[in-house]
Amino acid sequence: ETGVTQTPRHLVMGMTNKKSLKCEQHLGHNAMYWYKQSAKKPLELMFVYNFKEQTENNSVPSRFSPECPNSSHLFLHLHTLQPEDSALYLCASSEVYTKTGELFFGEGSRLTVL
Amino acid sequence: DAKTTQPTSMDCAEGRAANLPCNHSTISGNEYVYWYRQIHSQGPQYIIHGLKNNETNEMASLIITEDRKSSTLILPHATLRDTAVYYCIVSRDYGGSQGNLIFGKGTKLSVKP
Repeated sequence: ETGVTQTPRHLVMGMTNKKSLKCEQHLGHNAMYWYKQSAKKPLELMFVYNFKEQTENNSVPSRFSPECPNSSHLFLHLHTLQPEDSALYLCASSEVYTKTGELFFGEGSRLTVL
Repeated sequence: DAKTTQPTSMDCAEGRAANLPCNHSTISGNEYVYWYRQIHSQGPQYIIHGLKNNETNEMASLIITEDRKSSTLILPHATLRDTAVYYCIVSRDYGGSQGNLIFGKGTKLSVKP
């Protein structure tokens, strides 16, 4: 596989469930990101990891818990979510010191919270 | 980072050039102009970026005005597959985390047969 792969592509969960979103990049990048895209709203940056270290947490509620075990994998653990958390969750990667500003995005995981 | 202003939507006939404008009147000297697009229900895709000079790649051309207060993304021969939301973003090159790219609402381009 090439690029950035996200699983699952679709997820439906209740407010009391615990689930995880997975992202894997095959591009040799050192930085990975989680974005949230709610209906009719711009993309919102959630978390940034550089060389497996979290460098940015954009005031995200603690019910979202990221994990970056290595430079190729990024998880978003979900627990006790609210219906308003329903959105498209996008993972991206890049070289840490890129001069091109190019982020490579996955196709997203569409989450529905009932 | 400087803010950008883009039209909400635009139409373009298939095979014609699509010219997407962007205003960034408060851009600083060290800020780049980036363009991404997002086809429905997919992740955004990088198109092109520039600082001062006009840029061209296999996807598009970027024309930046001399005062750098506005720019135009040009898709020379639009196809139906170019229908997407196009984002103009202004950001410094931090040399590190590129996640500091702030996406606005963009321009929804509809290419029609």
